[in-house]
Amino acid sequence: DAGVIQSPRHEVTEMGQEVTLRCKPISGHNSLFWYRQTMMRGLELLIYFNNNVPIDDSGMPEDRFSAKMPNASFSTLKIQPSEPRDSAVYFCASSSSYRGTYEQYFGPGTRLTVT
Amino acid sequence: EDQVTQSPEALRLQEGESSSLNCSYTVSGLRGLFWYRQDPGKGPEFLFTLYSAGEEKEKERLKATLTKKESFLHITAPKPEDSATYLCAVQASGAGSYQLTFGKGTKLSVIP
Repeated sequence: DAGVIQSPRHEVTEMGQEVTLRCKPISGHNSLFWYRQTMMRGLELLIYFNNNVPIDDSGMPEDRFSAKMPNASFSTLKIQPSEPRDSAVYFCASSSSYRGTYEQYFGPGTRLTVT
Repeated sequence: EDQVTQSPEALRLQEGESSSLNCSYTVSGLRGLFWYRQDPGKGPEFLFTLYSAGEEKEKERLKATLTKKESFLHITAPKPEDSATYLCAVQASGAGSYQLTFGKGTKLSVIP
């Protein structure tokens, strides 16, 4: 069974450019989470969706960040315009609340570098 | 606000030297405490979920335990392949509350 899939794995862009990160959750999972990981701050939750609906976006740093989940098998995180301080590893994770267990399964991450 | 503190930040062990990692937490009602392993350049890998004080879970050389204020990850006779960063996270109880709050992790190095 395929795990969480993220693309691209690496992204290098210039300040001011738009960046779009993509995620395909595990089939059958109904919750999806976007995290950002840096050395200074560790893993931070940006936003999460339940049944394709955004539930909590309080972790999104500012209006430059936006996320969508148009269907149960796809989500995007967009940064426009990008800034050097956005450089980090971005993880997508999914979980299922149906079984009464809530562990999240993470993708391999996208390493974003903004120059 | 939920908080998770892990200690030590880094731990260096000789192969076969058993030790424990600590995870202290504060949460308004615990639904679950989670342990993950993260290798460099990879996403966190799920290890265990603990739900109530007194619960224990084991996997190979790892054993996780839980009290009302902290969790320990015991590593027995570690091998170099156990080297990784170990992350602890809590999930608060409450309807629709599915997010995890993570600690900053303990970086474990096992020297042959």
